[in-house]
Amino acid sequence: EAEVAQSPRYKITEKSQAVAFWCDPISGHATLYWYRQILGQGPELLVQFQDESVVDDSQLPKDRFSAERLKGVDSTLKIQPAELGDSAMYLCASSPSPEAGNTGELFFGEGSRLTVL
Amino acid sequence: AQSVAQPEDQVNVAEGNPLTVKCTYSVSGNPYLFWYVQYPNRGLQFLLKYITGDNLVKGSYGFEAEFNKSQTSFHLKKPSALVSDSALYFCAVRDINAGNMLTFGGGTRLMVKP
Repeated sequence: EAEVAQSPRYKITEKSQAVAFWCDPISGHATLYWYRQILGQGPELLVQFQDESVVDDSQLPKDRFSAERLKGVDSTLKIQPAELGDSAMYLCASSPSPEAGNTGELFFGEGSRLTVL
Repeated sequence: AQSVAQPEDQVNVAEGNPLTVKCTYSVSGNPYLFWYVQYPNRGLQFLLKYITGDNLVKGSYGFEAEFNKSQTSFHLKKPSALVSDSALYFCAVRDINAGNMLTFGGGTRLMVKP
């Protein structure tokens, strides 16, 4: 069964350092999402891509966070510099486009857990 | 703006007993509703969804959920709980008139005791 791949699974870094997360969505899925999940809370959308274009990045802290999906396939989320409050699980998800019959179900990867010391 | 509320941080139930995890939502248009489950240090797994049609939807692992439009609720249920059902459960809503964005509730921890 096709899965969303994420790496690394775990990352420990010191504050002020740079960190990057990678996501490879299910093949053919046009829409890709990055969510942040703070321990004990629900996921919150950071950025949504449709192919290579950003659809929604209104909740992305753009002073330190950046995301790209250059070829409309895999994606990278970067944080520079990392702060203590960035400690969280970073979840990538993908879904088919509405034209492909998407009814809103998202397929999630296993997540990347970030700890900032 | 769309929102989801899960009023219980934790639900405790004995194995073999029925379980209910509550969810209410708010959207301006017609909702698509979802339940996901998350095990420790894992991603979210899809359980079931309501798009249209029958108000009672059945999903994975014996779970079902009932859509109630008048009460704007979408409670998750299972007739007989298993210890292995212990996990974090998230309700989510998508306003079909507001793009593909899925909004999640804060989650409910289900504890099933032997």
